[in-house]
This record gives sequence, structure tokens and C-alpha cells, in this order.
Amino acid sequence: DVKVTQSSRYLVKRTGEKVFLECVQDMDHENMFWYRQDPGLGLRLIYFSYDVKMKEKGDIPEGYSVSREKKERFSLILESASTNQTSMYLCASSTPGQGLIEQYFGPGTRLTVT
Amino acid sequence: AQTVTQSQPEMSVQEAETVTLSCTYDTSESDYYLFWYKQPPSRQMILVIRQEAYKQQNATENRFSVNFQKAAKSFSLKISDSQLGDAAMYFCAYRSARGNEKLTFGTGTRLTIIP
Repeated sequence: DVKVTQSSRYLVKRTGEKVFLECVQDMDHENMFWYRQDPGLGLRLIYFSYDVKMKEKGDIPEGYSVSREKKERFSLILESASTNQTSMYLCASSTPGQGLIEQYFGPGTRLTVT
Repeated sequence: AQTVTQSQPEMSVQEAETVTLSCTYDTSESDYYLFWYKQPPSRQMILVIRQEAYKQQNATENRFSVNFQKAAKSFSLKISDSQLGDAAMYFCAYRSARGNEKLTFGTGTRLTIIP
């Protein structure tokens, strides 16, 4: 069974703090993704990584950065958290390639920035 | 850029009945992949069903089936014999057959099952 875990289910941070969201997968997947989920907006891709130390911007990368030092771990970093970054953050992983490839999701981290 | 539209923010259905969730998408590509994901309350998102654009036959997974109309760019999800465990947010997603492997999601439909 593929397992994607995220370091926290709930997180409360103050404006201006540096925030780290961690994601770990145990299936040796090359691809890892960070999404943001907001009501009425669905899921929007922030960043994804297709290999260690490789990353690509998604649709809404502003205000975020990522780090992938090991294959199984993908971190999302909010350099200076702002209230408009209050959201649910979902991590996902998948194997690479074309076709009907499934993405496996973590349980999500609900971040509140006050 | 591709867009995915789910025009029904909320739906409800009586237990054991059938419900159809709509999804339309906009693309200029001829080859792509479509997915339905389910997000139960406080639980992880999981894949429900998937379809390749070049396959005419509609995908089916047990009580879940799709109605894929390529010309109309429509990909609706039909749930037969609805069960209480089907209550969830349902997201339609598009993936291009070219370029990177990102998914473009719709805004979701919250499905309530009425006992």
C-alpha cells in the first residue's frame, strides 16, 4: 500500500513566520507534488518535483519554495507566512511517465496564519 | 491552458439511488487523460476512476461509471446504488498527454447521501 504522510494535520502560525510543511512517501516515487485546496477553487498546484533536487513551478508558486534533498521527502516552505496562505495543503506522489498514472495523496495539513 | 469546470458545487441523493456528477473541460489537445478523485470528510483523497481520451469505451469501476463525450468535452461520473460511504467531495481532473505530469482539477462537488 502506498503511503503518503504529512508532518502535521493542523498548524497555526503567526504572520511573518517561516513555515515548513513536510511530506514523506514510502513507495519510491520519483514525482512529488504540493497542492493548495481552497473552497470554491479546488486544488491548485504550487510546485512539483520529478527527481531529487529537481523542481518546477506550478500554477501558484508565489510566496512558496520547495526542497527535495531525498527521494522520499518533499518540503514546502513559506518564507514569510501571510494570512492569505491560510489553507489546506495536500501533498501527492506518483510514478513518472505517460498514461493513466494515479497520484497518491497525503491526509493534508490545515494551516492557519494569524 | 486547460480548464476543468464542475458546475454543481453540491449534490444530494437518496441512499440506493443513482446520481450523476458533471464535469466539462476545455482543451485544444486530442490526447489526454481524465480522472475522478474522491475526498471523504477528514480522509485522504483517492482515485475513483480514470479514462483515456482516445478510448471510446466508457470506464467502469463497480458502481462507478463515466459518460465520456469527447466532442462535447464532457466527463460525467455516475454513481449507482449510492451508499453512505459515497459521501465526499468529488474532483474531476485533467492531465495532458504531453509535457509535464501535472493534474488540473475542477472546483469539486460535495455529495451528500440521504439515508
